[in-house]
Amino acid sequence: LAKTTQPISMDSYEGQEVNITCSHNNIATNDYITWYQQFPSQGPRFIIQGYKTKVTNEVASLFIPADRKSSTLSLPRVSLSDTAVYYCLVGDKAPGRRALTFGSGTRLQVQP
Amino acid sequence: DTAVSQTPKYLVTQMGNDKSIKCEQNLGHDTMYWYKQDSKKFLKIMFSYNNKELIINETVPNRFSPKSPDKAHLNLHINSLELGDSAVYFCASSPRQTGEYRSSYNEQFFGPGTRLTVL
Repeated sequence: LAKTTQPISMDSYEGQEVNITCSHNNIATNDYITWYQQFPSQGPRFIIQGYKTKVTNEVASLFIPADRKSSTLSLPRVSLSDTAVYYCLVGDKAPGRRALTFGSGTRLQVQP
Repeated sequence: DTAVSQTPKYLVTQMGNDKSIKCEQNLGHDTMYWYKQDSKKFLKIMFSYNNKELIINETVPNRFSPKSPDKAHLNLHINSLELGDSAVYFCASSPRQTGEYRSSYNEQFFGPGTRLTVL
């Protein structure tokens, strides 16, 4: 799986938009970009997945430039409950039997 | 109505002991996994089971043995516990891929984790 690089930590305030960028220079043609969220003392939870351009769901947006060597997870108007670690993963869209490979993630701290 | 459950949530034990962590999923998924998250928060795959068949066995010591009595359960048994085994262990599951090839994402659903402390 392609290696990913993310900032170790980020700070924000309630109501702000947070953008977390992930670098994946060696992404393969068949690879998709997936983001998971992990709250303290909980298991990771799927947030969003995309291949190119922009994907939006009720939780976040994912922006992927044409070269796909990076991606940006955008969280609109964060709240205190968005404090968590966010993992960027690159690999097969349907890992199926294959396990996920998690990097170090980005620890987001939202302040009041 | 927990989708993926683990027991116990906390486990404190002495070095050299043998212990088991249980995992159950009620999602009807075909594949289950065990991950280990160390003190630095790196999450690493240990095992994967598909329909009671081991299909991934990463480089973990043979003191760790997954046991799957049926498709809904994947238990982790650990022999001769060591200090370095202290970590949070997560169970996860994912469905069998269906429909158009690669048309849908096989999201993995994680349990709440078991914090193992070896003294």
